[in-house]
Amino acid sequence: DTAVSQTPKYLVTQMGNDKSIKCEQNLGHDTMYWYKQDSKKFLKIMFSYNNKELIINETVPNRFSPKSPDKAHLNLHINSLELGDSAVYFCASSPGQGEREQYFGPGTRLTVT
Amino acid sequence: GENVEQHPSTLSVQEGDSAVIKCTYSDSASNYFPWYKQELGKGPQLIIDIRSNVGEKKDQRIAVTLNKTAKHFSLHITETQPEDSAVYFCAAHPGGYGNKLVFGAGTILRVKS
Repeated sequence: DTAVSQTPKYLVTQMGNDKSIKCEQNLGHDTMYWYKQDSKKFLKIMFSYNNKELIINETVPNRFSPKSPDKAHLNLHINSLELGDSAVYFCASSPGQGEREQYFGPGTRLTVT
Repeated sequence: GENVEQHPSTLSVQEGDSAVIKCTYSDSASNYFPWYKQELGKGPQLIIDIRSNVGEKKDQRIAVTLNKTAKHFSLHITETQPEDSAVYFCAAHPGGYGNKLVFGAGTILRVKS
């Protein structure tokens, strides 16, 4: 009965590879997000989708491409991975855009070697 | 854009004592202020939130206060227990479509038994 789930939990890969992280929410929410948490625990938004439409696209390298096949899923694809991409990536969802409560997934720890 | 500062960065208290974490924000348009608790290896969990039309909100041992004039808000945890040990994040949202939730840098709370 997990509300926001992500796969995989851990991802270890080499520089230059391409990888994807999947996210699914069963809360019936309209809006989904991707956040990056760096080694100092700082949380920063990367993307936001509302009803499959891209709403927020922060200053993120073009190597990162989100894809939302439907309202319940938001995947993150990363091309040509770099050492600096190592972080924990969190998916979140909320009932709507704007000042609404956000619910986070368990995170995916990405390590690039 | 919005900027959120959070203090202290670390806080150690004795079990049963109270803990207070303070945040200030810069954008006077912000109207939604959630608090998240993140345990080791898990995603941030929403524990309480407050909107700008309210000065205080309480939920059992946790409470949040908001001073819109001074642009600061605080989290109060009473009768702390070892399971309260975690990283706590404050955040602010300026409201409206397309805006984002901005997080503080986090406070590591340690409750000593």
